[in-house]
Amino acid sequence: GAVVSQHPSWVICKSGTSVKIECRSLDFQATTMFWYRQFPKQSLMLMATSNEGSKATYEQGVEKDKFLINHASLTLSTLTVTSAHPEDSSFYICSARDGRESTDTQYFGPGTRLTVL
Amino acid sequence: QQPVQSPQAVILREGEDAVINCSSSKALYSVHWYRQKHGEAPVFLMILLKGGEQKGHDKISASFNEKKQQSSLYLTASQLSYSGTYFCGTERYQGAQKLVFGQGTRLTINP
Repeated sequence: GAVVSQHPSWVICKSGTSVKIECRSLDFQATTMFWYRQFPKQSLMLMATSNEGSKATYEQGVEKDKFLINHASLTLSTLTVTSAHPEDSSFYICSARDGRESTDTQYFGPGTRLTVL
Repeated sequence: QQPVQSPQAVILREGEDAVINCSSSKALYSVHWYRQKHGEAPVFLMILLKGGEQKGHDKISASFNEKKQQSSLYLTASQLSYSGTYFCGTERYQGAQKLVFGQGTRLTINP
């Protein structure tokens, strides 16, 4: 099956620092990856759509300069939270679309819990 | 634009059945169902395409009523492992790429 990994699983950092989260599709090539943020007991909120080799498409209200997304290859996308602040603390989840499937199913990574002190 | 799920929460005893609905005010191309356990990422359950699809796996099935723009997820003879929050994600048209998720339905199965 389609497997997506994320690294790290959790990270605690000080306010003002930058944090990078990696998302990898392990057994398939993902031309499109998605980044979500989820606050406790809330739904998945799409932050941006990441296409390999091109600039990410950000959802309304998401700061492009704060959440840097790089989709360097067909199996790797990274999210960098720059100058993190406590309000950025959240569960960040990536998903990858398996283009082999005609239905374009999205498979989610295990998520990264970010805590900013 | 966010689909509406109902109910918001449901508590069952093991072996009972549950139905979770997902409704949209806009025409849809597909509905994707996921289950998420606390602290974990959502796990894909199934996808339904417009055209009135119905499908199932084991004791979990789903349908998509294109006219009503509503999808229902059916959990039959629920097991403890079915506990979690269920999300529907909707795709407005083929190639839309992104999914818009409902607010979730929290399902608790008690012994």
